[in-house]
Amino acid sequence: AQTVTQSQPEMSVQEAETVTLSCTYDTSESDYYLFWYKQPPSRQMILVIRQEAYKQQNATENRFSVNFQKAAKSFSLKISDSQLGDAAMYFCAYRRLFGNEKLTFGTGTRLTIIP
Amino acid sequence: DTAVSQTPKYLVTQMGNDKSIKCEQNLGHDTMYWYKQDSKKFLKIMFSYNNKELIINETVPNRFSPKSPDKAHLNLHINSLELGDSAVYFCACRGVDTDTQYFGPGTRLTVL
Repeated sequence: AQTVTQSQPEMSVQEAETVTLSCTYDTSESDYYLFWYKQPPSRQMILVIRQEAYKQQNATENRFSVNFQKAAKSFSLKISDSQLGDAAMYFCAYRRLFGNEKLTFGTGTRLTIIP
Repeated sequence: DTAVSQTPKYLVTQMGNDKSIKCEQNLGHDTMYWYKQDSKKFLKIMFSYNNKELIINETVPNRFSPKSPDKAHLNLHINSLELGDSAVYFCACRGVDTDTQYFGPGTRLTVL
């Protein structure tokens, strides 16, 4: 079974600085999707960024980028120029490419932005 | 327009009662899901429906019964509510042409 591990329950960063949230996963599949979701206090789950495992290029969305290391099964999220609105729980998630298409989530990292 | 909506957003009820949570999506997506987020914020899949057919049932107690009257709706009915059912329940959906699941705003269920 696939598992997703987020080893940092809490992180904090100074406003305008850069922070990296870590995520590792375990799978025997060769093709799959990886996601980062953000959950602010409003509790809405918001997609931040996604990565297809068959793509070597790291995904980027504005201030958010990932460092995808397929061999190491690592999928970290880098947030540049942190803003107060980035404060939230961040969840890493895995999904198989075919078949059972549920999202398997990590336990989340609570990110605090220090003004 | 809200893509995925859930009603109610908050639900407080007594142990032993039966309650339903409704989910509607206007994205035209074929696949819908229910996830449960416990008090420690851990999210786990409960059910998935594709074109009104159940395709995932992750060892959820029989007291939970999803119902999909049409592609746009996936409702969750819970019988004989227990204290441990207290959680936030999220509905989500995905279309055939996308690999992304879109989530509703969640329903916070509190069982007293």
